[in-house]
Amino acid sequence: NAGVTQTPKFRILKIGQSMTLQCTQDMNHNYMYWYRQDPGMGLKLIYYSVGAGITDKGEVPNGYNVSRSTTEDFPLRLELAAPSQTSVYFCASSYRQGLYGYTFGSGTRLTVV
Amino acid sequence: AQTVTQSQPEMSVQEAETVTLSCTYDTSENNYYLFWYKQPPSRQMILVIRQEAYKQQNATENRFSVNFQKAAKSFSLKISDSQLGDTAMYFCAFMKHDGGNNRKLIWGLGTSLAVNP
Repeated sequence: NAGVTQTPKFRILKIGQSMTLQCTQDMNHNYMYWYRQDPGMGLKLIYYSVGAGITDKGEVPNGYNVSRSTTEDFPLRLELAAPSQTSVYFCASSYRQGLYGYTFGSGTRLTVV
Repeated sequence: AQTVTQSQPEMSVQEAETVTLSCTYDTSENNYYLFWYKQPPSRQMILVIRQEAYKQQNATENRFSVNFQKAAKSFSLKISDSQLGDTAMYFCAFMKHDGGNNRKLIWGLGTSLAVNP
């Protein structure tokens, strides 16, 4: 069972570049999430989705976009990368609303220079 | 605002000993869920244990157990017989209603635990 798979694991971007962080899950979870983790700041929710075709903003959505065309995939798009977007990004999924916990991917470390 | 506080940024314990990580939260809700997640150096977040607020019995998962004090809004994690592989950052999280059927996780800032040989 692969669980939640994120690619790439590491990436360096130049200011102003764009990229897509990929996330796919094979557990047929309806709910999926994108978090960013900054040192000493805990996890902040960027976007989430309650099912294919439905997405909504979290706490820190500015500078990001998402789409959910299938149950399995939930890519995160960074447009015009800025140094403030240097962070570790985690994708997660859950059965229903996550009352039994989330399953996380292994993260993407992104550096914007 | 609902918050989760982990008052111990760093802790250490000797292998085979017991350690308790503290977590307090603030809420006006009566029914909610609490979680402890572990983030080892490999970076992946792993669910350790969960507690449903309407259950008075403390949750237990092998060497991991919680002391849930609802009135005090406290949710501490006890790790017994600590192992080197328990070295990790531990995050406490509270799940609250976020309108309608939506729920949202509120995260603490974490406690870094080092298990020493």
